[in-house]
Amino acid sequence: GAVVSQHPSWVICKSGTSVKIECRSLDFQATTMFWYRQFPKQSLMLMATSNEGSKATYEQGVEKDKFLINHASLTLSTLTVTSAHPEDSSFYICSARDNQANNHEQYFGPGTRLTVT
Amino acid sequence: SQQGEEDPQALSIQEGENATMNCSYKTSINNLQWYRQNSGRGLVHLILIRSNEREKHSGRLRVTLDTSKKSSSLLITASRAADTASYFCATNSGYSTLTFGKGTMLLVSP
Repeated sequence: GAVVSQHPSWVICKSGTSVKIECRSLDFQATTMFWYRQFPKQSLMLMATSNEGSKATYEQGVEKDKFLINHASLTLSTLTVTSAHPEDSSFYICSARDNQANNHEQYFGPGTRLTVT
Repeated sequence: SQQGEEDPQALSIQEGENATMNCSYKTSINNLQWYRQNSGRGLVHLILIRSNEREKHSGRLRVTLDTSKKSSSLLITASRAADTASYFCATNSGYSTLTFGKGTMLLVSP
């Protein structure tokens, strides 16, 4: 159980275009999802906390107008990288918390590799 | 912000040997978790230890937590080549967010 999927798994886009990444909880409902970014050989950095039905909470230094987050249902959150630039190239990982679980575990998606040319 | 600091940054051992990774953190926590990441993949949750626990086991994994020193260790016994991955500690301080350490890259040679 507790599977989180991401789509696409990898994407290459041109500078200036926008890219949407989906994060889905497949067998549980998640009021809260999280978006992380990971540069090569580095750790995960939390970008934002996505809350179903309300605005996302962004970490310091993360531009909310550049990284648009929509959490329209209890099983889907999307991250849109707007006007992408080469420095946005990274591995983006989402995670979700199970509404029904009493633990603090987050279930992670497989990640999306974004390359901006 | 980054809280956890793992050491070593990289560890290379032979199959059958034990691997020990350490994690230090700065603020008080509710729990500490260890995750594993294979190259270019998502994270797999390994084990969670609560702030009132000192040691926990799961299969070949043993985790210790010393809240007075703000540190934790992950021991993998009888390592296998398939254990090759990056290992991250992550702290939870009472809110829903996790703060990840920099990770240890483990290479287990056959």
